[in-house]
Amino acid sequence: EPEVTQTPSHQVTQMGQEVILRCVPISNHLYFYWYRQILGQKVEFLVSFYNNEISEKSEIFDDQFSVERPDGSNFTLKIRSTKLEDSAMYFCASSIRQGSGYTFGSGTRLTVV
Amino acid sequence: AQSVTQPDIHITVSEGASLELRCNYSYGATPYLFWYVQSPGQGLQLLLKYFSGDTLVQGIKGFEAEFKRSQSSFNLRKPSVHWSDAAEYFCAVGPLGEGNEKLTFGTGTRLTIIP
Repeated sequence: EPEVTQTPSHQVTQMGQEVILRCVPISNHLYFYWYRQILGQKVEFLVSFYNNEISEKSEIFDDQFSVERPDGSNFTLKIRSTKLEDSAMYFCASSIRQGSGYTFGSGTRLTVV
Repeated sequence: AQSVTQPDIHITVSEGASLELRCNYSYGATPYLFWYVQSPGQGLQLLLKYFSGDTLVQGIKGFEAEFKRSQSSFNLRKPSVHWSDAAEYFCAVGPLGEGNEKLTFGTGTRLTIIP
């Protein structure tokens, strides 16, 4: 069964450093998403991406965040200058069309120290 | 704005017993509704989804959910749970008929199975 692959599974970074979280969506999917889940809290929407541009972003997704689909297969989330409060599990997801439901990756646990 | 409430933070059931996890949503029109399951350290796996039509939806692993518009509910059920069902369960709602599906998740219900 096709999967969404996220790397790394766990990343530790120092406050103020830049991090890039990587995702390989399912190959024929067209819509891409990032969500995050702070420990013990609900899963929160960050950003959706379609046709090589951001479709929608939440208030969490400020200027420190950016997304890119650099080569037609990878989908990355960059955090320019990490803060302690960015520590969370970050999930990538993709879907083939509206209404099909997402396929989520297994997540990257980001720890900012 | 759309919202999801899962009133039960933690539920414990015996193996073989029936299960019902509650989900109430708030949305201005008919939404997409989803149930996801998350095992420890794992991603979110789609159990089932409702878009339209039959209000009783069958999913994977023997789960089903019933959409009740009058109660704004989408409760998840299973007639007989297995130890492997122990996990966190999330209900989610999304907009119907739009190109991008920004999902709003509930806070989750942790399910513990006892022998």
